[in-house]
Amino acid sequence: DARVTQTPRHKVTEMGQEVTMRCQPILGHNTVFWYRQTMMQGLELLAYFRNRAPLDDSGMPKDRFSAEMPDATLATLKIQPSEPRDSAVYFCASGLPGTGTGNTEAFFGQGTRLTVV
Amino acid sequence: GQQVMQIPQYQHVQEGEDFTTYCNSSTTLSNIQWYKQRPGGHPVFLIQLVKSGEVKKQKRLTFQFGEAKKNSSLHITATQTTDVGTYFCAAPRGGSEKLVFGKGTKLTVNP
Repeated sequence: DARVTQTPRHKVTEMGQEVTMRCQPILGHNTVFWYRQTMMQGLELLAYFRNRAPLDDSGMPKDRFSAEMPDATLATLKIQPSEPRDSAVYFCASGLPGTGTGNTEAFFGQGTRLTVV
Repeated sequence: GQQVMQIPQYQHVQEGEDFTTYCNSSTTLSNIQWYKQRPGGHPVFLIQLVKSGEVKKQKRLTFQFGEAKKNSSLHITATQTTDVGTYFCAAPRGGSEKLVFGKGTKLTVNP
């Protein structure tokens, strides 16, 4: 049963600490998205990769957030230093390129619930 | 940037009643997707609409894409308690494949 795997599922950390979230996309998927979900803002797109290259990270606060794909089986989202306002659920999603005018269907992981105190 | 506006934000219905959520864009969309997120869960893909005026059905769910490809709707007939969750529309931004999500409609169903 192919699925996107995210670790950790839950993370509580103190303000100022570094947080690293990991995502294993579905094997063969070459598109990876990072989203942040909060009650106020909903699902915000933070970054988007194709074939491990970052195509767009304009939704990400550059001063503290960074996203990488060290290899095709791992995507990471790092926050350094973390702040209480970063508390949210972070979702990774993967997919295949769309065809024609269709888009890639995004398969979401179960998310990492981050709490910064 | 391009946004998709979704209404209503919340909808409470009695089991058996119908439910509709709407998604609107100020610009023409190449396609639109719909997702469902159960409480405590993650978004799960439901369907994608590509063609102008397209209508697709999945059992009690009917999805429509407007003629101008600027709006879409999801209609659920005779809701059940299993329909509880938040329904999102999502569309690519600016000709890319970046999926931008609406704020969602949270559906609660009273048994």
